[in-house]
Amino acid sequence: EPEVTQTPSHQVTQMGQEVILRCVPISNHLYFYWYRQILGQKVEFLVSFYNNEISEKSEIFDDQFSVERPDGSNFTLKIRSTKLEDSAMYFCASSLTASNQPQHFGDGTRLSIL
Amino acid sequence: QKEVEQNSGPLSVPEGAIASLNCTYSDRGSQSFFWYRQYSGKSPELIMFIYSNGDKEDGRFTAQLNKASQYVSLLIRDSQPSDSATYLCAVIGAGFQKLVFGTGTRLLVSP
Repeated sequence: EPEVTQTPSHQVTQMGQEVILRCVPISNHLYFYWYRQILGQKVEFLVSFYNNEISEKSEIFDDQFSVERPDGSNFTLKIRSTKLEDSAMYFCASSLTASNQPQHFGDGTRLSIL
Repeated sequence: QKEVEQNSGPLSVPEGAIASLNCTYSDRGSQSFFWYRQYSGKSPELIMFIYSNGDKEDGRFTAQLNKASQYVSLLIRDSQPSDSATYLCAVIGAGFQKLVFGTGTRLLVSP
């Protein structure tokens, strides 16, 4: 069964550094998402991406964050000037279409900011 | 702020019993409703989705939706110890693409 793949599984970074989290969505899916889950808290939406542009973003997704689809398969989340509070699990998801299609999640990247 | 509410649990049931998990949502215009299972330290795994009022069955799982009451539920029949996990209710509101998650209900199935 097709799946969303994410790399790395665990990223440890010093505060203030930049990190790039990578995702390969399911190949025929058109909508891509990033979510995060701080330990012990809800899964929170960050951003959705369609047709090479952001289609929806949350208040969390400020100028510190950016997304990109650099080629036909990868989808990346860049976090600049990382802060301690950015430590979380970051999940990439994809769906065939928007609104009412199920979103399938990757295994996540655990980001630890020291 | 659109909210999805779940009892955090834990909900404890014996093996073979029916587990009933409930969820309410605040956005009356919501169109799409999902149940995900999340094992500790893992990612959400899609279990069921439902769009229309009524019941939808898939194997041991039944999702129930009542839009008038803004209520979604998940029934797990013949519960197994491997069903022990946190069950996340998620909703997509009208005009949005994002999933809004509840805090999840922790289910414990004892042998």
